[in-house]
Amino acid sequence: AQSVTQPDIHITVSEGASLELRCNYSYGATPYLFWYVQSPGQGLQLLLKYFSGDTLVQGIKGFEAEFKRSQSSFNLRKPSVHWSDAAEYFCAVGRDFGNEKLTFGTGTRLTIIP
Amino acid sequence: DVKVTQSSRYLVKRTGEKVFLECVQDMDHENMFWYRQDPGLGLRLIYFSYDVKMKEKGDIPEGYSVSREKKERFSLILESASTNQTSMYLCASSTRTGRSSPLHFGNGTRLTVT
Repeated sequence: AQSVTQPDIHITVSEGASLELRCNYSYGATPYLFWYVQSPGQGLQLLLKYFSGDTLVQGIKGFEAEFKRSQSSFNLRKPSVHWSDAAEYFCAVGRDFGNEKLTFGTGTRLTIIP
Repeated sequence: DVKVTQSSRYLVKRTGEKVFLECVQDMDHENMFWYRQDPGLGLRLIYFSYDVKMKEKGDIPEGYSVSREKKERFSLILESASTNQTSMYLCASSTRTGRSSPLHFGNGTRLTVT
């Protein structure tokens, strides 16, 4: 069965600093990988996804993520965070053919300090 | 833009009550999902449906049932609410592609069972 680990429960960064949120997955074949963001009181919004091809994926709001098969990782990055990036971030893994469910990690809460 | 609407933002029910959570999507998506979100546990799949009148159990179906009589509507039913079902409930939908595809989420229903 597929699984996702987000090792950081809570991260605090200064506004303007760079950000990296970690995500490790477990799945035997090529995974489909997603990052979602949840602002307070809201549902989840898709930031970016990886299905195949280029391992560096660009998303919305200036985020990017890199798929590293050798490390089973799909870390989310942003070069310079803004106060509006404060939210909870979820990594998710899916599969190709025959299974349209996603398995989510436990989330990383991001706090931005001035 | 896909819109997934959950009928209630906040709900307070008593132990033993029958509770209905309603979800409607407007993009003709085949797949619909109910997730439960709890701090430190991330999102856990309760049930999903890939077609009208079709349903499959997710990871934590106990104590819940679902109904999908129309393509756009997916209802989650708590037959006899218990305090351990106090949680945030998220509905999502996606297109049927035969593989994992991005989910579109509603804003959630925060249910409190007293």
